[in-house]
Amino acid sequence: GAVVSQHPSRVICKSGTSVKIECRSLDFQATTMFWYRQFPKQSLMLMATSNEGSKATYEQGVEKDKFLINHASLTLSTLTVTSAHPEDSSFYICSARAPREDYGYTFGSGTRLTVV
Amino acid sequence: GESVGLHLPTLSVQEGDNSIINCAYSNSASDYFIWYKQESGKGPQFIIDIRSNMDKRQGQRVTVLLNKTVKHLSLQIAATQPGDSAVYFCAVHVGGGNNRLAFGKGNQVVVIP
Repeated sequence: GAVVSQHPSRVICKSGTSVKIECRSLDFQATTMFWYRQFPKQSLMLMATSNEGSKATYEQGVEKDKFLINHASLTLSTLTVTSAHPEDSSFYICSARAPREDYGYTFGSGTRLTVV
Repeated sequence: GESVGLHLPTLSVQEGDNSIINCAYSNSASDYFIWYKQESGKGPQFIIDIRSNMDKRQGQRVTVLLNKTVKHLSLQIAATQPGDSAVYFCAVHVGGGNNRLAFGKGNQVVVIP
């Protein structure tokens, strides 16, 4: 149980375009999902917390107008990188908290974004 | 804020030997701790967790030790196998409404056949 599906796994886009990444909880409902960014050989950095039915909470230094988050249902959160630039190239990972006693943070398989 | 760090960036271990990865955290209010394994190009995979009311927990070939006095936890992997080669992260959850995980910097484990 507690599976999180993330798509796409890889995407290449041109500078200036927008890219949408989906994160789905397959067998549970997630009122809260998390979006991370990971640069090569570095740790996961939390970008924002996605709350179902309300606005996302962004970490300091993360541009909310650039990284649009929508959590319209209890099983789906999307991250849209708008007007992408090469410096946005990174590994984006989502996570959801399963409704288990031990909190149960489950991660998606990640999306490798390359902006050319 | 929460600061989580790992002591060794890379650990090379002979196949069959035991591996130990350490992690330090700074927030004494941390109540839940998780070790994740991340292979190249993949998302973090849950290995084992432990709550703050415990000091040791064992899984299959893995053991997590928690020392709240010095804010330190470790992951022990018994009989390390080539498939254990990956980056290992500790993650710390702070309760009281701070519904998030803080990740350590990561420790690359390389298993030598």
